[in-house]
Amino acid sequence: SQQGEEDPQALSIQEGENATMNCSYKTSINNLQWYRQNSGRGLVHLILIRSNEREKHSGRLRVTLDTSKKSSSLLITASRAADTASYFCATDTGGGSNYKLTFGKGTLLTVNP
Amino acid sequence: DTEVTQTPKHLVMGMTNKKSLKCEQHMGHRAMYWYKQKAKKPPELMFVYSYEKLSINESVPSRFSPECPNSSLLNLHLHALQPEDSALYLCASSQVFNTEAFFGQGTRLTVV
Repeated sequence: SQQGEEDPQALSIQEGENATMNCSYKTSINNLQWYRQNSGRGLVHLILIRSNEREKHSGRLRVTLDTSKKSSSLLITASRAADTASYFCATDTGGGSNYKLTFGKGTLLTVNP
Repeated sequence: DTEVTQTPKHLVMGMTNKKSLKCEQHMGHRAMYWYKQKAKKPPELMFVYSYEKLSINESVPSRFSPECPNSSLLNLHLHALQPEDSALYLCASSQVFNTEAFFGQGTRLTVV
């Protein structure tokens, strides 16, 4: 079952612009992670934000987490054509024998040169 | 070495065949995962192994049979699959739970 719902499903911007993607989820989480996938191959981890954190930065990435609204956002600043990919949020839930990492529906980002 | 290696990269199999997908990591990770991904859809969790023991089976049909022979290897045995099982199968590992997961490049499976 899917935990996260990304918004928008698709986003097309020009190089140099900022891209913002949102993720909403339904149950309590341990952490929220963002991943990137190029052309239907393996996923690459971008950033992890813990449930007691509100904001985290990594290079051109900025992630926020609002546990009261069960939502997160990923901001990519100064986008490049090479950022074109699908972006997924994933929620860590449970622990021990019932731990799961569950992915949301994803946002397809297209950055036009 | 921060790689998760999956073999084969592509697999075409008939509905009566038996085949296996293989996943290997040498990062000392003790959690390993199988995901199934259809085109334009998110990865769907199939199985979770923790310390070589199966901890999660997301109601996956028995024609998919996972195996974790040791802490570095994860197999997915396939038998009597259906055409709708055609998908990208992704393996992942993580050091422990609640940490980043590393993904392999996947096996693109076609059932004919």
